[in-house]
Amino acid sequence: EIVLTQSPATLSLSPGERATLSCRASQSVSNYLAWYQQKPGQAPRLLIYDTSNRATGIPARFSGSGSGTDFTLTVSSLEPEDFAVYYCQQRSDWPYTFGQGTKLEIK
Amino acid sequence: EVQLVESGGGLVQPGGSLRLSCAASGFTFSSYWMHWVRQAPGKGLVWVSRISSDGSRTAYADSVKGRFTISRDNAKNTVYLEMNNLRAEDTAVYYCASGEKIGVNVYWGQGTLVTVSS
Repeated sequence: EIVLTQSPATLSLSPGERATLSCRASQSVSNYLAWYQQKPGQAPRLLIYDTSNRATGIPARFSGSGSGTDFTLTVSSLEPEDFAVYYCQQRSDWPYTFGQGTKLEIK
Repeated sequence: EVQLVESGGGLVQPGGSLRLSCAASGFTFSSYWMHWVRQAPGKGLVWVSRISSDGSRTAYADSVKGRFTISRDNAKNTVYLEMNNLRAEDTAVYYCASGEKIGVNVYWGQGTLVTVSS
């Protein structure tokens, strides 16, 4: 099973700041890496798929990069609604797996 | 508008069974793979199972293999998760999910809570 490790566990930032979230895979997932946002009591929301493709309706301030085993989600300028938990997920190999999550909180 | 609506969750004793359903609308259900993902209270997301668009291929997480069965009825636009021999560690919100690309879940239901407790 491919293990995804996200860092940091918690990121404390202020609105307007830049957020950089990391995801490292235990083996190569090629470019088959997605990012989801989840708010309390809600289902996850797809942000980025296949490393760098924004899902429909996702603002341009969200971007993804990386390849192989190291990936990054960047939020260029945080809006109040961006504070949530973020998960990376691979679909390179079954079982598909998620990282443990990064909580982005307001500083 | 795409909708996925799960039902069938509830409280069940250890060793018991439940069948979850997920009714889909707003997209061509019979063309999409369907997935179940769960989330234990306060914990992260875990992929449970997947089924191909025609139902011929299925796969399971090791933690549920032999106990859970995924199936679908394309005439009813519904996917199911039959859960047997339930354990306390199966307690979670269960989401059904899907998308055009296999393993990229752009569509999610609201989730249904399964609680396994005596």
